[in-house]
Amino acid sequence: EAGVAQSPRYKIIEKRQSVAFWCNPISGHATLYWYQQILGQGPKLLIQFQNNGVVDDSQLPKDRFSAERLKGVDSTLKIQPAKLEDSAVYLCASSQQGGWTTEAFFGQGTRLTVV
Amino acid sequence: GENVEQHPSTLSVQEGDSAVIKCTYSDSASNYFPWYKQELGKRPQLIIDIRSNVGEKKDQRIAVTLNKTAKHFSLHITETQPEDSAVYFCAAVSSGGYNKLIFGAGTRLAVHP
Repeated sequence: EAGVAQSPRYKIIEKRQSVAFWCNPISGHATLYWYQQILGQGPKLLIQFQNNGVVDDSQLPKDRFSAERLKGVDSTLKIQPAKLEDSAVYLCASSQQGGWTTEAFFGQGTRLTVV
Repeated sequence: GENVEQHPSTLSVQEGDSAVIKCTYSDSASNYFPWYKQELGKRPQLIIDIRSNVGEKKDQRIAVTLNKTAKHFSLHITETQPEDSAVYFCAAVSSGGYNKLIFGAGTRLAVHP
């Protein structure tokens, strides 16, 4: 089966600029996660969708980050304006809903550098 | 909120030795505990998982144990090989919500020939 697709792979922007990342989860996966992984750290959950609804965004800096998942499939994560500390890899993951099968599959990630 | 602690942050072993990574979790509603391996510049990939109704699971050279009472779970790698060198993340999924997946900070394992 096709995996989780993310784009772009790399992005370099200046601080205060805006940027958007795109994720296409595995077909049929109801749950979609966006993680921020700063170099040397574990993935930090930013936002979790169940179909097209947000079920957790407690760690999302809502003054500058936003995300949407229209029609319960693709998702975009936006940062506006970016700060130096936003430099990280942004990982998208998806999983089937509920039950014992909760394995999350990750995309390749988008490496963001803010200069 | 939910939290997963992971130790050690770095681990260096000789080829053929065993490696053990330990994690604790805070949410008693957690019922699924996956372990991911992340090689440099690559995506995290699931290597083994354990569910809360099982105390131990083994897959060739890797095994996981779970102590629900103490909220501890561990990854054991035996007969380590240089290709086991990577960063390993433990994680916990809570059944109290929509399968919220929380990761530990990671363990960088180096296996020396």
